[in-house]
Amino acid sequence: AQSVTQLDSQVPVFEEAPVELRCNYSSSVSVYLFWYVQYPNQGLQLLLKYLSGSTLVKGINGFEAEFNKSQTSFHLRKPSVHISDTAEYFCAVTEVGNSGYSTLTFGKGTMLLVSP
Amino acid sequence: DTEVTQTPKHLVMGMTNKKSLKCEQHMGHRAMYWYKQKAKKPPELMFVYSYEKLSINESVPSRFSPECPNSSLLNLHLHALQPEDSALYLCASSQELAGGTDTQYFGPGTRLTVL
Repeated sequence: AQSVTQLDSQVPVFEEAPVELRCNYSSSVSVYLFWYVQYPNQGLQLLLKYLSGSTLVKGINGFEAEFNKSQTSFHLRKPSVHISDTAEYFCAVTEVGNSGYSTLTFGKGTMLLVSP
Repeated sequence: DTEVTQTPKHLVMGMTNKKSLKCEQHMGHRAMYWYKQKAKKPPELMFVYSYEKLSINESVPSRFSPECPNSSLLNLHLHALQPEDSALYLCASSQELAGGTDTQYFGPGTRLTVL
C-alpha cells in the first residue's frame, strides 16, 4: 500500500518569506501525486498535481512542487507567502487497489501559519 | 467549472434523528465519494460510487447509508448516530474511478454535530 509522510505538522513563517512544505511517499511503479489546501471551515481545494512529464509542476496561488523520483519526494514551495496562505496543506498519492479502483491516500497534513 | 455543492452547510441532530446530506456535481463525473474528516486530521474515505453503483465501502457502520439516485447526485442518509460521528463530511467527484490519474474535486463539506 502507498503511504505519504508529511514530516512537519506545523510550519510558522513570516509574511513575504519563502516556504517549503515537505512530502515523501512510498515508492511504486506508477505514482500520481497531489497537493490540496484546506482553508478554515472549508473543503479541500486542488493546488497542483503531478501525473507525468515535467517534474516541476506549477499550481494556483503561486505554489509549485517538484517531483523527485530518486528521493521519493514531492515538496511544495512558494517564494513569498501571504497572510491568506494560512491553511492546512495535504499531500496525497493515488493508489490503485486490488479492485482496480484508484483512491487517494492522504498525508497527515501540514498547517502553514503565516504571521505579519 | 469544477464545482461540487453540498447541503446543508451545518447540521445538528440528536442520536434518534434521521437526516440526509446531499451532494451535487454537474461536471459529468462518473465517480463520487464520501469522506469523513475529524478536526486536525486528513479526510477518511467512507464510500465510493462509480457509474451510480457502490464500488467501495470502507467498512462504514450501517447507521450511514449512501445513495446515488443519478450520476449528478449523491446522498448520505444518517440514522441513530453517535456523538463520535460529529465531523466534517466531504463529498468529492472525479471523471472516472480507475487508472490512478483521476483528479478528485471536493465540495465545501457539511459540518455535522451529533448531540
